[in-house]
This record gives sequence, C-alpha cells and structure tokens, in this order.
Amino acid sequence: AQTVTQSQPEMSVQEAETVTLSCTYDTSENNYYLFWYKQPPSRQMILVIRQEAYKQQNATENRFSVNFQKAAKSFSLKISDSQLGDTAMYFCAFMKNSDMRFGAGTRLTVKP
Amino acid sequence: SQTIHQWPATLVQPVGSPLSLECTVEGTSNPNLYWYRQAAGRGLQLLFYSVGIGQISSEVPQNLSASRPQDRQFILSSKKLLLSDSGFYLCAWSLLAGTDTQYFGPGTRLTVL
Repeated sequence: AQTVTQSQPEMSVQEAETVTLSCTYDTSENNYYLFWYKQPPSRQMILVIRQEAYKQQNATENRFSVNFQKAAKSFSLKISDSQLGDTAMYFCAFMKNSDMRFGAGTRLTVKP
Repeated sequence: SQTIHQWPATLVQPVGSPLSLECTVEGTSNPNLYWYRQAAGRGLQLLFYSVGIGQISSEVPQNLSASRPQDRQFILSSKKLLLSDSGFYLCAWSLLAGTDTQYFGPGTRLTVL
C-alpha cells in the first residue's frame, strides 16, 4: 500500500520569506498523481497544486511550486513571499486510481 | 461552476444513536463521490467512494455505511454511533476516476458523547 510521510509536524516562517514543506511517499507504481492541499482554520480542504508523475516539469501555481523528484519519491512544496493567509495545515497526497492517501500534515504558521 | 454542499456543519450525538450526513454536488453530472474522515490532528482517511448511483466501495470496515440514492447525492450513515466515530467528515467529488483532482466540501464536525 502507498504511504505518504510528512516529517515536519510544524513549521513557521516570517511574512514575505520562503518556506519549503517536505513530503516523501512509497509506491511501486509508475503513473500516479501528487497533490498539496491546504486546510485553513475553517477546515475546508483547498487544492494548492497538482503534479502528474509522468511529467518531468515541476508544477507551479503563482507563489507555490513543487520540487518533484520521482526517483527519490520526494514531493516538496515551496511557498514564496509567504503571506499571513498562508497559515494553515498543509497535506501532501498521493493518488492512484481514485485511491488518495494523505500524509499526517504540516502545520505552517506565518508570522508578521 | 461546480459546488459541493455538506450538512449539517456540526453535530453532537449520543453513543448508540443513528447518523445521517448528506453531501450534494451541483453543476456537474455523474461525479465520482468520496467520504473521508479526519481524526483530530491527523490526515484524511478514505471511507467510501462511489462511481455511480448505487455503486459504493468501502475502504475501511466499520459501523458506517454509505449510499448514493441520486446521481449527485451521497449519504453517510450509521445505525449506532460509537465514541470512536467522532471526527471531521469530508465529502469530495471528482470528474474522472483515477486521474482527476478531488474537490472537497466544507465538512461536518461530529462529536459522539
């Protein structure tokens, strides 16, 4: 079974600075999808970014980008120019055939 | 555009009571639907998913069940709640099974006392 590991339970960053959240996963599959979701205090899960495993190019979405290392099974999220509204739980997720597995999450606090 | 609704937003139920949580999707047809549970301070655990009316797949054996009586309606039920059923329940939808992003509803916070 696929597992997703987020080794940083909590992180903090100063406003306007850059932070990187780590995620590793374990799978024997070759084609799959990876996601980062954000869960603010409202508890609604919001899609941040998506990566297809067959694409070598790292996905980017405005201030959010990923470093996808397929051989290393690593999928980190970089948040540039951090904003107070980025404060939330961030979940890394692996999906194969609609079966989505989530990591335990990283609580990110952006400090003014 | 598509929207997903869940209700109730919060629920407090005694042990042994029944449960019914509802999820509906608007703005799309024949979506794939999912139920997840999030325990306090934890990630999400997939409970059920459905690719069509009356088609339910269960991921975790438990005292919960799911039904899909209509194309865009997904219901999570229990005949008798346990303390361990407390948590945050999220419904999600996607268009294509296996390749499409899942989009989540606002969730239901369930407390079993």
